[in-house]
Amino acid sequence: ETGVTQTPRHLVMGMTNKKSLKCEQHLGHNAMYWYKQSAKKPLELMFVYNFKEQTENNSVPSRFSPECPNSSHLFLHLHTLQPEDSALYLCASSQDWSGRSRTGELFFGEGSRLTVL
Amino acid sequence: AQSVTQLDSQVPVFEEAPVELRCNYSSSVSVYLFWYVQYPNQGLQLLLKYLSGSTLVKGINGFEAEFNKSQTSFHLRKPSVHISDTAEYFCAVRPLSGNTPLVFGKGTRLSVIA
Repeated sequence: ETGVTQTPRHLVMGMTNKKSLKCEQHLGHNAMYWYKQSAKKPLELMFVYNFKEQTENNSVPSRFSPECPNSSHLFLHLHTLQPEDSALYLCASSQDWSGRSRTGELFFGEGSRLTVL
Repeated sequence: AQSVTQLDSQVPVFEEAPVELRCNYSSSVSVYLFWYVQYPNQGLQLLLKYLSGSTLVKGINGFEAEFNKSQTSFHLRKPSVHISDTAEYFCAVRPLSGNTPLVFGKGTRLSVIA
């Protein structure tokens, strides 16, 4: 396994379900990110974890709950979602994002396509 | 704060023709610059990046970009496109220092027509 792996690739859930998206990176990075990509909208940064600590939460509704148990794994727990939450959820990683030596280059997974009915 | 403007949301071009995708940015400090490509149903993949040095940067799949500091631009070019280049292209910036993640543009949809 190389790079950033996301599972599942596709998920259909009802508004009352609870599900989770998983992301794993094999690059030795220390920062991990969740992005939301909706049709006809720009990429939205949702959460950032740096060395397992959450450093960004861009006003994301509480029905999205991230978890970062270690620098290699990132989860996005989903509950009581709305149809407008249907989107491609992208996970990314970078070396970390502190210090002048870091370019902040992101490495992305292939995404989890979520459909909320 | 940084911002990125991709001037064209859609660019149709015939196969084997040249293409330029435009990107302008706004920043009060020096930045790193990136172009990413997203093929259908996939994540974003790095095409090329400008960190320092030569302003002409060559990337994968025959793409190149030129950093123009005075015009705050980082346009992406390819002399001859293929059908397989059909994708969404994103320009992104990040300041050289500080704890901020990449800031992305809204993307440009390149459609190559046979």
